[in-house]
Amino acid sequence: DAGVIQSPRHEVTEMGQEVTLRCKPISGHNSLFWYRQTMMRGLELLIYFNNNVPIDDSGMPEDRFSAKMPNASFSTLKIQPSEPRDSAVYFCASSLLQRDYGYTFGSGTRLTVV
Amino acid sequence: AQKITQTQPGMFVQEKEAVTLDCTYDTSDPSYGLFWYKQPSSGEMIFLIYQGSYDQQNATEGRYSLNFQKARKSANLVISASQLGDSAMYFCAMREGQNGGYNKLIFGAGTRLAVHP
Repeated sequence: DAGVIQSPRHEVTEMGQEVTLRCKPISGHNSLFWYRQTMMRGLELLIYFNNNVPIDDSGMPEDRFSAKMPNASFSTLKIQPSEPRDSAVYFCASSLLQRDYGYTFGSGTRLTVV
Repeated sequence: AQKITQTQPGMFVQEKEAVTLDCTYDTSDPSYGLFWYKQPSSGEMIFLIYQGSYDQQNATEGRYSLNFQKARKSANLVISASQLGDSAMYFCAMREGQNGGYNKLIFGAGTRLAVHP
């Protein structure tokens, strides 16, 4: 079991550029979550999917953020255009729907927008 | 409204002693789950322990135990025999509602624990 895989681990980009973060959930997991962690706001749930369908995107900060899950093994979080205040660590997590065990986090992507 | 409250921004404990990290929660859902995660300085999120709302007994995992007081809506983490490697940020989290596939996991602000030799 390779765990939840996120890429890239680190991303430095210039303000205004498009940024795409990627996540591969654990095989067999059917829920996927995107979180953002900052010192000021802690761990915020941005959006989550069940069976590839977005269930709750109320945490997505603005229209500049979008997330997709085209299949059970891949999800992206896109920021376009990026701003310095988007700098944070972005975590992806996956789990089995209807099971409380198995909320497993990836290693995170540290995004710096300059 | 704050759903998960961790009132201790920072805690200190002497090595080999026990420490309790506080967590209170707010939900009207009868079915929920409570979790504790550890985040060391390296940044990864490590699952520690889980308590279901219908579980009759307090959860235990090695040196970790969860003091679940349902009526008070508290789910405190107890770490026994603290070790230097326990120094980290600790997050309490709650999963609300399984009906209709609603399984949102939300986190408290965290408590930073420092274990002193």
